[in-house]
Amino acid sequence: KNQVEQSPQSLIILEGKNCTLQCNYTVSPFSNLRWYKQDTGRGPVSLTIMTFSENTKSNGRYTATLDADTKQSSLHITASQLSDSASYICVVSARSSSASKIIFGSGTRLSIRP
Amino acid sequence: NAGVTQTPKFRVLKTGQSMTLLCAQDMNHEYMYWYRQDPGMGLRLIHYSVGEGTTAKGEVPDGYNVSRLKKQNFLLGLESAAPSQTSVYFCASSYGQGANNQPQHFGDGTRLSIL
Repeated sequence: KNQVEQSPQSLIILEGKNCTLQCNYTVSPFSNLRWYKQDTGRGPVSLTIMTFSENTKSNGRYTATLDADTKQSSLHITASQLSDSASYICVVSARSSSASKIIFGSGTRLSIRP
Repeated sequence: NAGVTQTPKFRVLKTGQSMTLLCAQDMNHEYMYWYRQDPGMGLRLIHYSVGEGTTAKGEVPDGYNVSRLKKQNFLLGLESAAPSQTSVYFCASSYGQGANNQPQHFGDGTRLSIL
């Protein structure tokens, strides 16, 4: 069964600190993995997209890594800011598939405290 | 550039009532999707469309209908609302399907409560 599991479910850190969010997946055949940021009351917004051949991609203070062999990804946030408070969703797509094969994780809720 | 616009933003219905959620995108995307988001769960696909005049069932289609009469619009209908349909509904669009590395663009959701 295609699944995307994220950990932790929630995380609280102090402003300025770094953190790492985890994503494990069993989606097959793998096409790409995306990280989205969802602010409270808003829709998800894409942060990064990685394909099978990419193992690192950055977007400002956000760095995503992918290990396709172990089917794991992480999102590292550097020097956190209050505006980073949001849910972060890992999304995995299967290759040559319909829209029904885009699998969403349940997200990690990150809170940044001043 | 508005992106994806959903209307209404909030709605409260009584069991058995019907309503239509509207989604409009101005990016000329072929693919459009309707998802529901419930606490502790990932977004689940209700229906999707790969182009004007087409629709297809997703993971949780029961109790919903959709129409894509124009490329820029995707409508989600509830014919007889049930409390289990209380959720936040998100519309999304994309240039291609999930496997072509194009991101989905989401609206800000419709918060629907069924009493």
